[in-house]
Amino acid sequence: SQQGEEDPQALSIQEGENATMNCSYKTSINNLQWYRQNSGRGLVHLILIRSNEREKHSGRLRVTLDTSKKSSSLLITASRAADTASYFCATDAGNSGYSTLTFGKGTMLLVSP
Amino acid sequence: GAVVSQHPSRVICKSGTSVKIECRSLDFQATTMFWYRQFPKQSLMLMATSNEGSKATYEQGVEKDKFLINHASLTLSTLTVTSAHPEDSSFYICSAGDARSYNEQFFGPGTRLTVL
Repeated sequence: SQQGEEDPQALSIQEGENATMNCSYKTSINNLQWYRQNSGRGLVHLILIRSNEREKHSGRLRVTLDTSKKSSSLLITASRAADTASYFCATDAGNSGYSTLTFGKGTMLLVSP
Repeated sequence: GAVVSQHPSRVICKSGTSVKIECRSLDFQATTMFWYRQFPKQSLMLMATSNEGSKATYEQGVEKDKFLINHASLTLSTLTVTSAHPEDSSFYICSAGDARSYNEQFFGPGTRLTVL
């Protein structure tokens, strides 16, 4: 079964607004990570939240994790045009060592000036 | 953060040829590297996990004879697409795990492969 389904698939907002993206998954996880990808580029790691954490902040980013609902959200506050990118959640469900990440389909965010 | 490079960034080849993509961890040693494939407007799909000094572990549906992986050193893994065909055209991304940062994978910039 596929992990990490994001919604919405696409989100279009104006600069200054907040952007919220959601991710749902199906099995137990060790941690959940959010990545950003600019068009045709590699991935940039944004934030990692462990299964025993409920909320984490990093600059304008706020991530929540609800393991009972198997869902996570990424909030970008005061968005900027430079935030335009695709955002992916990835779940790590392994038990030890380096576990494989399973990526969701992503949310394409467009921030207009 | 840790830096991972890929070479080449873009390659165009004729059908039937083989293409080698390199993935290097520049400032750390990576005992484990991962290879992903991404089709346009789609997510990353894990192809294989590459362990230094041992055989790669391929995901279901990925042909190991088609996608040869060699992880010869702690800083270099290579993916060779053998006898490439147009359907192999894709964006190939590698990542490397840094033992200093448990379970965080650092991603390379990707390689765009176009098979004519």
